[in-house]
Amino acid sequence: EVQLVQSGAEVKKPGESLKISCKASGYSFTSSWIAWVRQMPGKGLEWMGIIYLGDSDTTYSPSFQGQVTISADKSISTAYLQWSSLKASDTAMYYCVGGSGYFDSWGLGTLVTVSS
Amino acid sequence: DIQMTQSPSTLSASVGDRVTITCRASQSISSWLAWYQQKPGKAPKLLIYKASTLESGVPSRFSGSGSGTEFTLTISSLQPDDFATYYCQQYNSYPRTFGQGTKVEIK
Repeated sequence: EVQLVQSGAEVKKPGESLKISCKASGYSFTSSWIAWVRQMPGKGLEWMGIIYLGDSDTTYSPSFQGQVTISADKSISTAYLQWSSLKASDTAMYYCVGGSGYFDSWGLGTLVTVSS
Repeated sequence: DIQMTQSPSTLSASVGDRVTITCRASQSISSWLAWYQQKPGKAPKLLIYKASTLESGVPSRFSGSGSGTEFTLTISSLQPDDFATYYCQQYNSYPRTFGQGTKVEIK
């Protein structure tokens, strides 16, 4: 069974940097895809981008290109989502999801709160 | 980007009702469509993929149909556990995009 374990909730100030993680287990990490999905408070789901864990090939949504960086370390079966300068509007729940098309496995989510 | 539009945004129904949610794509996506269920405070759960294939373990009262630009999710007999928000998602092309969601409420 595929499991995606995400890092814990974060509280940050505007302008700070952040890197959250998603550790995968239960399947062949290097032959799989991990995407990130944002859900702002009370709102719907937004696909941010995807990384192929075997070679770190990455595709971003135009809405998030240049705003975040998606990366992976296949040696520890972990994908990352990072910001160099957070804004209050980055406050949201972030899910890592398994799959390149539809998403059959979901992490529990990492809540990121950005507030001064 | 392919825009996904769900209707209605909110649906009030009773236990035992037959419920249908529609999802329209701004261009043809063949059958590359998935449906998810999300309950408050929880991660979404995959219900259906490739427009009509039921994910393992999902009750048979859920069904999906459609191709091209118009799709439907049907719950044949609404159960108490089904009150939730439902999202469609296309995976025909990048960026993957979701509908805005349909909240199924208790009437």
